[in-house]
Parts: sequence; structure tokens; C-alpha cells
Amino acid sequence: QKEVEQDPGPLSVPEGAIVSLNCTYSNSAFQYFMWYRQYSRKGPELLMYTYSSGNKEDGRFTAQVDKSSKYISLFIRDSQPSDSATYLCAFLNQGGKLIFGQGTELSVKP
Amino acid sequence: DTAVSQTPKYLVTQMGNDKSIKCEQNLGHDTMYWYKQDSKKFLKIMFSYNNKELIINETVPNRFSPKSPDKAHLNLHINSLELGDSAVYFCASSQLAGSSYNEQFFGPGTRLTVL
Repeated sequence: QKEVEQDPGPLSVPEGAIVSLNCTYSNSAFQYFMWYRQYSRKGPELLMYTYSSGNKEDGRFTAQVDKSSKYISLFIRDSQPSDSATYLCAFLNQGGKLIFGQGTELSVKP
Repeated sequence: DTAVSQTPKYLVTQMGNDKSIKCEQNLGHDTMYWYKQDSKKFLKIMFSYNNKELIINETVPNRFSPKSPDKAHLNLHINSLELGDSAVYFCASSQLAGSSYNEQFFGPGTRLTVL
């Protein structure tokens, strides 16, 4: 079983749609949960991070963590063409390493 | 004013050659990393240095040798390049190392193509 599973997509939605991106993980020792956004031909940039179960909101973005189910989600409300990118979930393990999901490629059509 | 910079941005070379990628950060961070992103966008850590000391060394062929002349620089030298080394290599930095959270800032990447 892979340590992190993320559907690679691609995912195509119309502008204004609500987008749901998801990752499952198997390592219950993960304590920090992150979402990175990577535009084409650019480096990843941190979008959100959290360390507890529940929801964390930042503008149009909501990060959700369910530690009991080992499941994290990123919701994007009122999606915009500028949200078109690859979204990577990431987890910090006890050795201080960031473990990334494969990334979901999102395209928001005007 | 780039926070984490890498050179070169693109690198095209023949199998068997030796090449280096350079990374510099101006954030004053103590920890630097090298990641490899394959063609399927899977991003995996290769090495990490904290204040010039190697702290993470993943299962990477010993043809890959990182070098940190000071805490603001981390270079990656690759000997005897193979086709499978073709990927995008990202440098990153963070204030601290370890299992407490601290944000990693990524460079723009170096796209290596081995022919």
C-alpha cells in the first residue's frame, strides 16, 4: 500500500464550480497536512497547512482533515481559470521529510 | 529578489556525461533540500542539509552527490548520467529541520533531459 494516494486527474471544471481534491494516507504518525499548488513549469508553493482534524478556511480555499479516516481534502469555491494548476497534498513525517501525493491536475474553463 | 534560485533552468546532455545544478537561497534559512519530480509529477525528496550538514539521504544512486559550501547554497552533482535521470529537480529551503512544521520554499526547478 502506498503511503499517500492521490487521484492524478486530470480534472476539468467550468468557472465558478466547487472543486474537491482528495488524498488518503496510511501513516498515522503524520502530524502536519499540507496542500501545495504548482503552476506549469514552476515550483510548488504552499497553499494551506493544518495539523488537526477539522476544517481550515482561507478565502475560497478550505482544507479538511479527518485523521480517523486518514483522509484530507481541499475545497475550492467559485473556481477561477487562475486556479488551473496541479495540486499536491503533502505530509510531514516524524523524520522531518515531506511526503507528497502524485498531484491532481486541475483545469478551470472560462 | 528571487528567494530560491536554481541554475541552469534547462539542461540537455548526453548519457554518460557529468553535470551540476546549483541552488541558492536568500531567505536566511538553515535547511536546504533537493527533490526529484518525475514525468508523472511525483515529487520525492533526495537529500536535505541543515547548516551544511547532511541530515536526509534517501535511497539515491551514489552517482548523485550533493555539496553545501555554506548554508545559503546547495549544489547537486550527477556523474555518469542515465536516461532515467531525466526529470525536473527542485531545490527548496526552510527555516528549520525536523518533525515540527516549517514551510518549505521551492525554487523554479531545473529540467534535465538525458539523451
